[in-house]
Amino acid sequence: EIVMTQSPATLSVSPGERATLSCRASQSVDSHLAWYQQKIGQAPRLLIYGASTRATGIPARFSGSGSGTEFTLTISSLQSEDFAVYYCQQYNNWPALTFGGGTKVEIK
Amino acid sequence: QVQLVQSGAEVKKPGASVKVSCETSGYTFTSYDIYWVRQATGQGLEWMGWMAPNSGGTGHAQRFRGRVTMTRNTSISTAYLELSSLRSEDTAVYYCARGLLGQQLVLVYWGQGTPVTVSS
Repeated sequence: EIVMTQSPATLSVSPGERATLSCRASQSVDSHLAWYQQKIGQAPRLLIYGASTRATGIPARFSGSGSGTEFTLTISSLQSEDFAVYYCQQYNNWPALTFGGGTKVEIK
Repeated sequence: QVQLVQSGAEVKKPGASVKVSCETSGYTFTSYDIYWVRQATGQGLEWMGWMAPNSGGTGHAQRFRGRVTMTRNTSISTAYLELSSLRSEDTAVYYCARGLLGQQLVLVYWGQGTPVTVSS
């Protein structure tokens, strides 16, 4: 099983600042990496897939990068609605999907 | 528009079984696999398994071996997840999800979640 490790567990950021979230895979997943945002009481929302492709309707302030085992999600200027938990997910190992443990982005 | 609507909250005793439904609309049910993901309170997301509605083929995570059954009724575009021999650790919100066109493992459409509580 491919293990996904996210860091940090919690990120405290002021509105308008940049947030950088990391995700590491225990073995290469090529670019088969997605990012999701989840708010309390809601289902996850797809943000990024293919490591760097924004899903439909996702603002340009969200960007993804990386390949192989190291990936980054960057939120260029945090808005109030961006405070949430973010998960990475690998899908290189069909059909087994694995998620990272999540990074909570909170208001500083 | 694509929608996945799940059945309501369940409360079960240890050892019992639970069956969660996922009614889909807005697309051809048999064209996309359905995935099941669960989330314990305050915890992360855990993939449970998948089902191909066209064939009924399924696969699941090793840890659920022998306890999980995924089925479908194509006439009503609905998928089902049944989990047996429930224990307290199975208390979670259970989600069904569907992938993107051409990238089925990228979960773009999600049900609203079904809370399942296992308690004596």
